[in-house]
Amino acid sequence: GQQLNQSPQSMFIQEGEDVSMNCTSSSIFNTWLWYKQDPGEGPVLLIALYKAGELTSNGRLTAQFGITRKDSFLNISASIPSDVGIYFCAGLSGGTSYGKLTFGQGTILTVHP
Amino acid sequence: DVKVTQSSRYLVKRTGEKVFLECVQDMDHENMFWYRQDPGLGLRLIYFSYDVKMKEKGDIPEGYSVSREKKERFSLILESASTNQTSMYLCASSHMGGSGANVLTFGAGSRLTVL
Repeated sequence: GQQLNQSPQSMFIQEGEDVSMNCTSSSIFNTWLWYKQDPGEGPVLLIALYKAGELTSNGRLTAQFGITRKDSFLNISASIPSDVGIYFCAGLSGGTSYGKLTFGQGTILTVHP
Repeated sequence: DVKVTQSSRYLVKRTGEKVFLECVQDMDHENMFWYRQDPGLGLRLIYFSYDVKMKEKGDIPEGYSVSREKKERFSLILESASTNQTSMYLCASSHMGGSGANVLTFGAGSRLTVL
């Protein structure tokens, strides 16, 4: 099936630093989603991107839908301890109305105070 | 507050036991999904359903079955649990169309340990 390569696999940063992570694929996607999973909880949607080239912000988070439709990145500015968690990208290809997403492997973020 | 509820957060079962994982959503979503989450592998789709009594295999359906008798409820069944099914299981739902279509809302997860 389709695969998403998400990097980095893990990050250890100091509070206040900026963070960048990305997802790439050999396949084209029509929608890119970014989720965050807090420890012991299910993933929660952060940002949804529906158009190639789209740049969307949600507070300190910024995500972009790559112009080739094969990649997306997520930036977090001025990290804080509650940013800790696992971040997942997910892509939706055309031809389905069932929301069958393909997920990346996740980026584990640790923020040191 | 709308939500997806997974009735069991933690389960411990023995090899060979039959296991039921229940999921209920209150958002009138058409689509429901079961994923398993393992370190380094992300979320892998087991089964999904786009309507009552309808089901489709995902990427890793072997060893699992599902049931959707009512729109709000989607059950995952392990007929004979094995140790390699020890994992975190996540249920999710989404609308078929309209605003927010295909955006999944997840439950809190069910962590299953098979001894």
